Amino acid sequence: SAVISQKPSRDICQRGTSLTIQCQVDSQVTMMFWYRQQPGQSLTLIATANQGSEATYESGFVIDKFPISRPNLTFSTLTVSNMSPEDSSIYLCSVASGRPDNEQFFGPGTRLTVL
Amino acid sequence: AQKVTQAQTEISVVEKEDVTLDCVYETRDTTYYLFWYKQPPSGELVFLIRRNSFDEQNEISGRYSWNFQKSTSSFNFTITASQVVDSAVYFCALERSNYQLIWGAGTKLIIKP
Repeated sequence: SAVISQKPSRDICQRGTSLTIQCQVDSQVTMMFWYRQQPGQSLTLIATANQGSEATYESGFVIDKFPISRPNLTFSTLTVSNMSPEDSSIYLCSVASGRPDNEQFFGPGTRLTVL
Repeated sequence: AQKVTQAQTEISVVEKEDVTLDCVYETRDTTYYLFWYKQPPSGELVFLIRRNSFDEQNEISGRYSWNFQKSTSSFNFTITASQVVDSAVYFCALERSNYQLIWGAGTKLIIKP
C-alpha cells in the first residue's frame, strides 16, 4: 500500500491569490492524479501528473489555472492560480499501483476556501 | 462513453436495518475495474472494495456485501444491520483503461439511532 500526505490540510485564501498544494507518497509510483471535489459534489479528475513531462489535463481544466509539477516519482504539486470563490473545494491527490493489484490510494485532501 | 450512475441521492434508515446502495455503470471496455469508497464527514476517502470485470462472484466482508451483475451493469452495495458509524457518503467509481477513475454522484447514507 501507499501512504500519501498532503500539505496544507486546509487553507483560507483571498481572491486573486494562488495556493500550491503538495502531495508526498511514501513509495515510488508511476501514476499520480489530482482530483477536485466541490462542496457536496462528487470527485472530478483535474489532471494526470506525469513525471518528467507536462501534466495531462481533463476537459475544462487548463495548465494556466492549475499548473502541476512532478519532479520525481514520489512528489507532486498542484497550484490553484488566481483563485476565485468558485475554486473553494477539496483537492485530492491519488496514486494507482497499476496491474495486477490495481489499487488506488488517496491523500487526506486539502480543503480550500476562497473568500 | 463511460459513466457511473448512483440514482439514490440520500438514504435514511434506522439503525440495524439493512440498506442497499445502487450503482449502475456504462463502459465499452471489456476489461474494467469497479470501486466503492466511503467518505465520512471528516472527508477522507476510505477504500472499500475493488472488483474486476472478470470476477462476478459476490463478495462479503463482515456486514458489507457487494453484488456484481454484468448483465445489468450494476455493482450494488449492501450493509447488513446498519450502524450509526456507517453514516457517510458512498461513492461508486469505474476505472478507465489508464487508471483514472470516473465517479458516481455519491449516495449520502444517514443511519438514525
